[in-house]
Amino acid sequence: EPEVTQTPSHQVTQMGQEVILRCVPISNHLYFYWYRQILGQKVEFLVSFYNNEISEKSEIFDDQFSVERPDGSNFTLKIRSTKLEDSAMYFCASSELVFNQPQHFGDGTRLSIL
Amino acid sequence: GESVGLHLPTLSVQEGDNSIINCAYSNSASDYFIWYKQESGKGPQFIIDIRSNMDKRQGQRVTVLLNKTVKHLSLQIAATQPGDSAVYFCAENNAGNMLTFGGGTRLMVKP
Repeated sequence: EPEVTQTPSHQVTQMGQEVILRCVPISNHLYFYWYRQILGQKVEFLVSFYNNEISEKSEIFDDQFSVERPDGSNFTLKIRSTKLEDSAMYFCASSELVFNQPQHFGDGTRLSIL
Repeated sequence: GESVGLHLPTLSVQEGDNSIINCAYSNSASDYFIWYKQESGKGPQFIIDIRSNMDKRQGQRVTVLLNKTVKHLSLQIAATQPGDSAVYFCAENNAGNMLTFGGGTRLMVKP
């Protein structure tokens, strides 16, 4: 069964450093998403991406965050200057269509900021 | 993908019994709902979905019920098995393509 894959599974970074989280969505999916889950909190939407541009973003997704689809298979989330509060699980998801379609999630990257 | 640290409501059931997990959603304009299962160390796994023009949908061993009047969603698991032990999240779609997740319920299945 096709699946969303994320790398690395765990990333440890010094505060202030840039980090790039990588995702390979399901191959025939057109919509891509990033969510995060801070320890002890709910899963929160960050951003959605379609046709090489952001289609929707939350208040969390400020200027420190960016997304990119650098080639036909990868989808990345960059945090430019990490803060302690960026420590969380980051989940990538993809869906075939946008409305009334399930989003399929990867197993996440645990980001630890020191 | 753990929900470690979440003070989750917990449902404990005996293997073979039926489980019912409940969720109250927030937005009356939500038109699409999904149940996800999250096992330790993994991401949310799609179980079943339902559109707002339906009040019931069945899958394999699972049934989702939607009550729009009281903004309530439930997931019923028939003949619960040890492999069903996980955290279950409901999620609603009410604006564009973002999902809003509930806080989750931990299901523990006793053999």
